[in-house]
Amino acid sequence: SQQGEEDPQALSIQEGENATMNCSYKTSINNLQWYRQNSGRGLVHLILIRSNEREKHSGRLRVTLDTSKKSSSLLITASRAADTASYFCATAGGATNKLIFGTGTLLAVQP
Amino acid sequence: GAVVSQHPSWVICKSGTSVKIECRSLDFQATTMFWYRQFPKQSLMLMATSNEGSKATYEQGVEKDKFLINHASLTLSTLTVTSAHPEDSSFYICSAASQSSYEQYFGPGTRLTVT
Repeated sequence: SQQGEEDPQALSIQEGENATMNCSYKTSINNLQWYRQNSGRGLVHLILIRSNEREKHSGRLRVTLDTSKKSSSLLITASRAADTASYFCATAGGATNKLIFGTGTLLAVQP
Repeated sequence: GAVVSQHPSWVICKSGTSVKIECRSLDFQATTMFWYRQFPKQSLMLMATSNEGSKATYEQGVEKDKFLINHASLTLSTLTVTSAHPEDSSFYICSAASQSSYEQYFGPGTRLTVT
């Protein structure tokens, strides 16, 4: 079953603007990960944040995690047209590495 | 970085036939492999988890007799869609994880179209 709910479902911004996507989940986790998927292609791993971390940066990406609210956000700064893709959060919990994916946010960056 | 390949990239088959999809970890030993299905404009849904040398664990609602998974070695897992029907048309994605890492490495996916 899907655990993560993401909002917005879709987002259109101009190049250079920042994009924020939110993810909420239901159960306790070991870590939360963000992935990007270009249309009809495989997944690209963006960033992993562990349950004891609150914020993490990677290049133009900033991820926050609030375990008390069971939510995470992904911020892409200074967006580019090449950032156009679907973005998914995925949570991992329990003894296995099983990932449960969120519903995804479709980001369109207009040049 | 770790590379996972899938074969074939896409396949079109007739209703009633079986299709085998391979997932290979090219430069690491994958103790666990995962199979996902993604319908158009939807998210990935986990179908099953397979550990090398043991039977796969299927998610609720996934028919194990229809989606046969074999994880015979630390670098290869196969998914066979038996007696495929048009509703099985989907994008099938595998991922692989080593024992030491939380991270899953995803294959490029296989698009199955059943006519």
